[in-house]
Amino acid sequence: EPEVTQTPSHQVTQMGQEVILRCVPISNHLYFYWYRQILGQKVEFLVSFYNNEISEKSEIFDDQFSVERPDGSNFTLKIRSTKLEDSAMYFCASSLYGLAGGRADTQYFGPGTRLTVL
Amino acid sequence: AQSVAQPEDQVNVAEGNPLTVKCTYSVSGNPYLFWYVQYPNRGLQFLLKYITGDNLVKGSYGFEAEFNKSQTSFHLKKPSALVSDSALYFCAVRARNSGAGSYQLTFGKGTKLSVIP
Repeated sequence: EPEVTQTPSHQVTQMGQEVILRCVPISNHLYFYWYRQILGQKVEFLVSFYNNEISEKSEIFDDQFSVERPDGSNFTLKIRSTKLEDSAMYFCASSLYGLAGGRADTQYFGPGTRLTVL
Repeated sequence: AQSVAQPEDQVNVAEGNPLTVKCTYSVSGNPYLFWYVQYPNRGLQFLLKYITGDNLVKGSYGFEAEFNKSQTSFHLKKPSALVSDSALYFCAVRARNSGAGSYQLTFGKGTKLSVIP
């Protein structure tokens, strides 16, 4: 069964450093997402991406964040200058459809990257 | 704005007994509703979803959920719990309309299910 994969599983960085979190969505999926989960809190939406552009983003996704699909398989989340409060588990997800025909297509999640900012 | 409430932080149930994990939601218009499960050190695994039609939705691993529009609830159920069902369960909602906020899933805070042997 196809899966979303994420690397690395754990990333430790110093405050102010740039990090790139990588994801390989399910191969025929067209919509890509990033969510995060701060320890003990809810899973929160960050951004959705379709056709090489951001389709939706939350207020969390400020100018420090960016996403990119650099090739046909990878989907990345970059945090330009990390802050202590960016420490969280970051989940990538993908779905075949977004809103086509009103379908609520299922978002499939990767195992997550735990980001620790020191 | 859409929101999900999971009123119980933890649910304990004896193996073989029926289990219920509660979820209520708030969304503009009709909802799409989802349940995901998270095992330790694992990602979120999809269990089931409600789009339209039959209010009782059947999903993976013997789980089912009942959509109740008047009570704005989508409780997760299983007739006979297994120890291996012990995990963190998340309810999520997505708006059906095509306006802002339509792509994102809004999650509840999760309910830890412990099935006691």
